[in-house]
Amino acid sequence: GENVEQHPSTLSVQEGDSAVIKCTYSDSASNYFPWYKQELGKGPQLIIDIRSNVGEKKDQRIAVTLNKTAKHFSLHITETQPEDSAVYFCAASKSSASKIIFGSGTRLSIRP
Amino acid sequence: DAGVIQSPRHEVTEMGQEVTLRCKPISGHNSLFWYRQTMMRGLELLIYFNNNVPIDDSGMPEDRFSAKMPNASFSTLKIQPSEPRDSAVYFCASRTGTGGSEAFFGQGTRLTVV
Repeated sequence: GENVEQHPSTLSVQEGDSAVIKCTYSDSASNYFPWYKQELGKGPQLIIDIRSNVGEKKDQRIAVTLNKTAKHFSLHITETQPEDSAVYFCAASKSSASKIIFGSGTRLSIRP
Repeated sequence: DAGVIQSPRHEVTEMGQEVTLRCKPISGHNSLFWYRQTMMRGLELLIYFNNNVPIDDSGMPEDRFSAKMPNASFSTLKIQPSEPRDSAVYFCASRTGTGGSEAFFGQGTRLTVV
């Protein structure tokens, strides 16, 4: 069935450095790839998403890349700040009306 | 809009008891999802509805779990009888289902079965 794999499970970076989280998906029909950030005690919140007709998208310090051929997509956070510490989830979906499958999450810690 | 509203926020119950979790999706959203989050298994999709109709319940662990969506503004997830291994945070999420694709999550219900 559909599957999304996410790596690494934990990531610690020095404040100001960049963080990269990688995901792969199994269903080639997937065309929507959101990234969510979850802070302690809260539900996941969308931070950026990308659709299959685009290879890269950037929003300030956050960027996502998509390689449809390899079925890979990645989240890049530059100039990391303490408030970036959280759990990040990648996900994949086939259409606006279909289910969203999540990766296993990455716990990102920013060292001061 | 107040966002996706879940109740209760916390539930502690004894093994064998019935538990009902509630969700009010964002008005106008056509798709509703129930997820379970645990340390071991991450965010698992239990079931999702489109236009109040269950589309895929393959993630429901067993017959003790059931979900309903009687109208566009309300859904329930019921566990009967509950077991300690059901302890988790349960999230409800909704999305428009057409055009826009973002899913909005509620704050979750932390369920503890003792």
